Amino acid sequence: DTEVTQTPKHLVMGMTNKKSLKCEQHMGHRAMYWYKQKAKKPPELMFVYSYEKLSINESVPSRFSPECPNSSLLNLHLHALQPEDSALYLCASSQGALIGHTNTEAFFGQGTRLTVV
Amino acid sequence: GQQLNQSPQSMFIQEGEDVSMNCTSSSIFNTWLWYKQDPGEGPVLLIALYKAGELTSNGRLTAQFGITRKDSFLNISASIPSDVGIYFCAGPWGGNTPLVFGKGTRLSVIA
Repeated sequence: DTEVTQTPKHLVMGMTNKKSLKCEQHMGHRAMYWYKQKAKKPPELMFVYSYEKLSINESVPSRFSPECPNSSLLNLHLHALQPEDSALYLCASSQGALIGHTNTEAFFGQGTRLTVV
Repeated sequence: GQQLNQSPQSMFIQEGEDVSMNCTSSSIFNTWLWYKQDPGEGPVLLIALYKAGELTSNGRLTAQFGITRKDSFLNISASIPSDVGIYFCAGPWGGNTPLVFGKGTRLSVIA
């Protein structure tokens, strides 16, 4: 089973709303990631959690707040977003936590299509 | 900076034709990964390469890890309509970082 499940699949929110994106994996992976993908662009890394601790924040604005409640779950809390934050948000996980030679295969969820109005 | 140069950017081919795309880096990679992404979906891992010179197949797909460790290619044989999508190369920059992605190759298959 190489499944990463993201909910919701689609989300429309206003600029004053607070919402959360959820991600779940049951592969025993120790690293989980949030990526943002704009149309016709490759995924761009936002956050990395390694062993449930935030290890990388790619200078993401504070209106995006990640949370890792346990080794299987990853949330992304959204508050006061801007229209330019509209994108596909991808969650991924990998067995190894930032290890270069093996176990860096990342498996992605289907993504949440976020529209900020 | 971190750069993975992927080419071509897009391809239009006839069904049944073979396809080749490649990825080059300014630095050495220890791992090369190839993903396919359908519209509105997340990337799906196709092939993972871990050794220089390694040649790996997955059905009609074949990928190779370049000897210099700075490049990789992906071949698709006898393309079919469901091969349509965007193909990304990716790897951990510097060998110990999360994945960085190439800009993608958009493949269109004409039946």
